[in-house]
Amino acid sequence: GAVVSQHPSRVICKSGTSVKIECRSLDFQATTMFWYRQFPKQSLMLMATSNEGSKATYEQGVEKDKFLINHASLTLSTLTVTSAHPEDSSFYICSARAGRDTEAFFGQGTRLTVV
Amino acid sequence: SQELEQSPQSLIVQEGKNLTINCTSSKTLYGLYWYKQKYGEGLIFLMMLQKGGEEKSHEKITAKLDEKKQQSSLHITASQPSHAGIYLCGAPDYFSGGSNYKLTFGKGTLLTVNP
Repeated sequence: GAVVSQHPSRVICKSGTSVKIECRSLDFQATTMFWYRQFPKQSLMLMATSNEGSKATYEQGVEKDKFLINHASLTLSTLTVTSAHPEDSSFYICSARAGRDTEAFFGQGTRLTVV
Repeated sequence: SQELEQSPQSLIVQEGKNLTINCTSSKTLYGLYWYKQKYGEGLIFLMMLQKGGEEKSHEKITAKLDEKKQQSSLHITASQPSHAGIYLCGAPDYFSGGSNYKLTFGKGTLLTVNP
Protein backbone atom coordinates (compact mmCIF):
# COMPACT_ATOMS: atom_id res chain seq x y z
CA GLY A 1 0.00 0.00 0.00
CA ALA A 2 0.89 3.66 -0.11
CA VAL A 3 3.33 5.09 2.40
CA VAL A 4 2.62 7.85 4.87
CA SER A 5 5.56 8.96 6.95
CA GLN A 6 5.06 10.71 10.27
CA HIS A 7 7.86 12.39 12.16
CA PRO A 8 8.97 12.36 14.90
CA SER A 9 7.85 9.03 16.30
CA ARG A 10 8.50 10.17 19.85
CA VAL A 11 9.01 13.58 21.39
CA ILE A 12 9.40 14.85 24.92
CA CYS A 13 9.02 18.55 25.53
CA LYS A 14 8.79 20.93 28.42
CA SER A 15 5.49 22.42 29.46
CA GLY A 16 4.86 25.71 27.66
CA THR A 17 6.87 24.91 24.55
CA SER A 18 5.52 24.10 21.10
CA VAL A 19 5.97 20.89 19.16
CA LYS A 20 5.57 20.31 15.42
CA ILE A 21 4.61 16.95 13.95
CA GLU A 22 4.99 16.29 10.25
CA CYS A 23 2.96 13.97 8.08
CA ARG A 24 4.12 13.21 4.54
CA SER A 25 2.59 11.11 1.81
CA LEU A 26 5.61 9.62 0.07
CA ASP A 27 4.19 8.11 -3.08
CA PHE A 28 0.89 9.81 -3.73
CA GLN A 29 -0.71 13.22 -3.57
CA ALA A 30 -2.94 13.59 -0.57
CA THR A 31 -5.82 15.96 -1.18
CA THR A 32 -7.08 15.35 2.34
CA MET A 33 -5.23 14.64 5.55
CA PHE A 34 -6.71 13.79 8.91
CA TRP A 35 -5.23 14.23 12.36
CA TYR A 36 -6.25 11.92 15.18
CA ARG A 37 -5.50 11.61 18.83
CA GLN A 38 -5.57 8.28 20.59
CA PHE A 39 -5.75 7.73 24.32
CA PRO A 40 -4.48 4.51 25.89
CA LYS A 41 -6.59 1.52 24.91
CA GLN A 42 -9.13 3.69 23.14
CA SER A 43 -10.07 4.26 19.54
CA LEU A 44 -9.03 7.15 17.35
CA MET A 45 -10.50 10.56 18.04
CA LEU A 46 -10.60 12.79 14.98
CA MET A 47 -9.18 16.22 15.73
CA ALA A 48 -9.30 17.91 12.35
CA THR A 49 -9.48 17.45 8.61
CA SER A 50 -7.32 19.44 6.25
CA ASN A 51 -7.35 19.96 2.52
CA GLU A 52 -4.34 21.25 0.67
CA GLY A 53 -4.31 25.02 0.48
CA SER A 54 -7.30 25.64 2.72
CA LYS A 55 -7.99 26.00 6.41
CA ALA A 56 -8.45 22.90 8.47
CA THR A 57 -11.87 21.88 9.73
CA TYR A 58 -11.73 21.15 13.43
CA GLU A 59 -13.97 18.80 15.34
CA GLN A 60 -16.10 20.13 18.13
CA GLY A 61 -14.12 20.62 21.30
CA VAL A 62 -10.73 20.82 19.60
CA GLU A 63 -9.00 24.18 20.10
CA LYS A 64 -7.80 25.40 16.72
CA ASP A 65 -5.44 27.93 18.29
CA LYS A 66 -3.78 25.23 20.31
CA PHE A 67 -3.54 22.60 17.59
CA LEU A 68 -2.37 24.44 14.50
CA ILE A 69 -2.69 22.50 11.28
CA ASN A 70 -1.05 23.46 8.03
CA HIS A 71 -1.50 21.59 4.76
CA ALA A 72 0.80 23.57 2.53
CA SER A 73 1.31 21.00 -0.20
CA LEU A 74 -0.26 17.82 -1.52
CA THR A 75 2.34 15.75 0.29
CA LEU A 76 2.82 17.50 3.61
CA SER A 77 0.65 18.43 6.56
CA THR A 78 1.88 19.60 9.94
CA LEU A 79 0.31 19.66 13.37
CA THR A 80 1.78 22.09 15.87
CA VAL A 81 0.84 21.71 19.50
CA THR A 82 1.32 25.19 20.92
CA SER A 83 2.11 25.91 24.55
CA ALA A 84 1.95 22.23 25.34
CA HIS A 85 0.82 21.04 28.76
CA PRO A 86 0.97 17.61 30.37
CA GLU A 87 -2.66 16.96 29.46
CA ASP A 88 -1.66 17.21 25.79
CA SER A 89 0.49 14.13 26.22
CA SER A 90 -0.96 11.53 23.90
CA PHE A 91 -0.48 9.50 20.75
CA TYR A 92 -1.12 11.55 17.61
CA ILE A 93 -1.69 9.85 14.23
CA CYS A 94 -2.12 11.34 10.80
CA SER A 95 -3.90 9.84 7.84
CA ALA A 96 -3.75 10.77 4.17
CA ARG A 97 -6.13 10.11 1.33
CA ALA A 98 -5.77 10.81 -2.37
CA GLY A 99 -9.44 11.20 -3.10
CA ARG A 100 -12.81 11.06 -1.47
CA ASP A 101 -13.47 7.41 -2.30
CA THR A 102 -9.95 6.05 -1.99
CA GLU A 103 -8.10 4.26 0.76
CA ALA A 104 -6.84 6.25 3.70
CA PHE A 105 -3.32 5.40 4.83
CA PHE A 106 -1.89 6.15 8.24
CA GLY A 107 1.41 7.36 9.55
CA GLN A 108 3.30 5.53 12.28
CA GLY A 109 2.07 7.90 14.97
CA THR A 110 3.84 10.29 17.33
CA ARG A 111 4.05 9.73 21.05
CA LEU A 112 4.09 13.15 22.69
CA THR A 113 5.09 13.48 26.32
CA VAL A 114 4.92 16.89 27.96
CA VAL A 115 6.85 17.20 31.20
CA SER B 1 -23.44 11.45 12.05
CA GLN B 2 -22.45 7.88 11.45
CA GLU B 3 -21.50 5.56 14.30
CA LEU B 4 -19.73 2.25 14.05
CA GLU B 5 -20.07 -0.46 16.65
CA GLN B 6 -17.61 -3.33 16.75
CA SER B 7 -18.09 -6.67 18.40
CA PRO B 8 -16.63 -8.29 20.28
CA GLN B 9 -14.57 -5.70 22.12
CA SER B 10 -11.92 -8.29 22.81
CA LEU B 11 -11.27 -11.83 21.75
CA ILE B 12 -8.87 -14.52 22.89
CA VAL B 13 -8.42 -17.53 20.66
CA GLN B 14 -6.12 -20.50 20.44
CA GLU B 15 -3.70 -20.57 17.56
CA GLY B 16 -5.23 -22.30 14.57
CA LYS B 17 -8.79 -21.34 15.36
CA ASN B 18 -11.03 -19.28 13.12
CA LEU B 19 -12.62 -16.06 14.30
CA THR B 20 -14.97 -13.31 13.17
CA ILE B 21 -15.14 -9.63 14.08
CA ASN B 22 -18.22 -7.59 13.24
CA CYS B 23 -18.72 -3.92 12.48
CA THR B 24 -22.25 -2.50 12.43
CA SER B 25 -23.09 0.97 11.20
CA SER B 26 -25.91 3.26 12.31
CA LYS B 27 -26.35 4.36 8.70
CA THR B 28 -25.72 3.01 5.22
CA LEU B 29 -22.07 2.39 4.50
CA TYR B 30 -20.67 3.94 1.35
CA GLY B 31 -17.26 2.52 2.04
CA LEU B 32 -15.76 0.46 4.83
CA TYR B 33 -12.11 0.14 5.77
CA TRP B 34 -10.48 -2.46 7.94
CA TYR B 35 -7.23 -1.69 9.71
CA LYS B 36 -4.95 -3.45 12.12
CA GLN B 37 -3.02 -1.65 14.84
CA LYS B 38 -0.36 -2.75 17.26
CA TYR B 39 -0.63 -0.76 20.47
CA GLY B 40 1.39 2.44 20.22
CA GLU B 41 1.88 2.14 16.47
CA GLY B 42 0.18 3.38 13.35
CA LEU B 43 -2.64 1.64 11.50
CA ILE B 44 -1.99 -0.90 8.81
CA PHE B 45 -4.49 -0.83 5.96
CA LEU B 46 -6.05 -4.25 5.38
CA MET B 47 -8.97 -3.85 3.01
CA MET B 48 -11.54 -1.48 1.64
CA LEU B 49 -15.07 -2.53 0.67
CA GLN B 50 -17.53 -0.43 -1.27
CA LYS B 51 -20.19 -2.53 -2.89
CA GLY B 52 -22.98 -4.40 -1.13
CA GLY B 53 -22.12 -8.09 -1.04
CA GLU B 54 -18.48 -7.40 -1.82
CA GLU B 55 -15.93 -9.76 -0.34
CA LYS B 56 -12.16 -9.40 -0.34
CA SER B 57 -9.42 -11.65 0.90
CA HIS B 58 -5.79 -11.15 1.75
CA GLU B 59 -3.84 -14.16 2.90
CA LYS B 60 -5.95 -15.63 5.70
CA ILE B 61 -8.13 -12.59 6.27
CA THR B 62 -11.47 -12.14 4.53
CA ALA B 63 -13.78 -9.17 4.84
CA LYS B 64 -17.32 -8.82 3.57
CA LEU B 65 -19.82 -6.00 3.30
CA ASP B 66 -23.40 -7.18 3.56
CA GLU B 67 -25.98 -6.53 0.84
CA LYS B 68 -27.73 -3.83 2.83
CA LYS B 69 -24.40 -2.12 3.40
CA GLN B 70 -24.83 -1.64 7.13
CA GLN B 71 -22.58 -4.36 8.44
CA SER B 72 -19.18 -5.76 7.67
CA SER B 73 -17.43 -8.81 9.02
CA LEU B 74 -13.76 -9.68 9.18
CA HIS B 75 -12.91 -13.35 9.28
CA ILE B 76 -9.52 -14.83 10.08
CA THR B 77 -8.88 -18.44 9.20
CA ALA B 78 -6.41 -20.57 11.14
CA SER B 79 -5.29 -17.70 13.33
CA GLN B 80 -1.62 -17.21 14.18
CA PRO B 81 0.12 -15.15 16.89
CA SER B 82 1.05 -12.66 14.15
CA HIS B 83 -2.64 -11.84 13.77
CA ALA B 84 -2.78 -10.44 17.29
CA GLY B 85 -3.53 -6.75 17.58
CA ILE B 86 -6.36 -4.27 17.50
CA TYR B 87 -8.70 -4.41 14.52
CA LEU B 88 -10.51 -1.23 13.62
CA CYS B 89 -13.25 -0.64 11.13
CA GLY B 90 -13.61 2.82 9.65
CA ALA B 91 -16.03 4.47 7.27
CA PRO B 92 -16.31 7.79 5.47
CA ASP B 93 -19.07 9.76 7.15
CA TYR B 94 -21.31 11.14 4.42
CA PHE B 95 -23.90 12.34 6.87
CA SER B 96 -22.14 15.02 8.87
CA GLY B 97 -22.10 17.58 6.11
CA GLY B 98 -19.16 19.06 4.27
CA SER B 99 -17.29 17.47 1.40
CA ASN B 100 -14.38 15.85 3.18
CA TYR B 101 -16.26 12.75 4.27
CA LYS B 102 -14.21 12.41 7.42
CA LEU B 103 -13.46 8.92 8.59
CA THR B 104 -15.31 7.55 11.58
CA PHE B 105 -13.91 4.57 13.44
CA GLY B 106 -15.29 1.86 15.66
CA LYS B 107 -13.75 1.39 19.08
CA GLY B 108 -11.71 -1.57 17.95
CA THR B 109 -11.47 -5.26 18.75
CA LEU B 110 -8.46 -6.48 20.67
CA LEU B 111 -7.41 -9.89 19.40
CA THR B 112 -5.11 -12.16 21.37
CA VAL B 113 -3.91 -15.39 19.83
CA ASN B 114 -2.44 -17.88 22.24
CA PRO B 115 0.20 -20.26 20.89
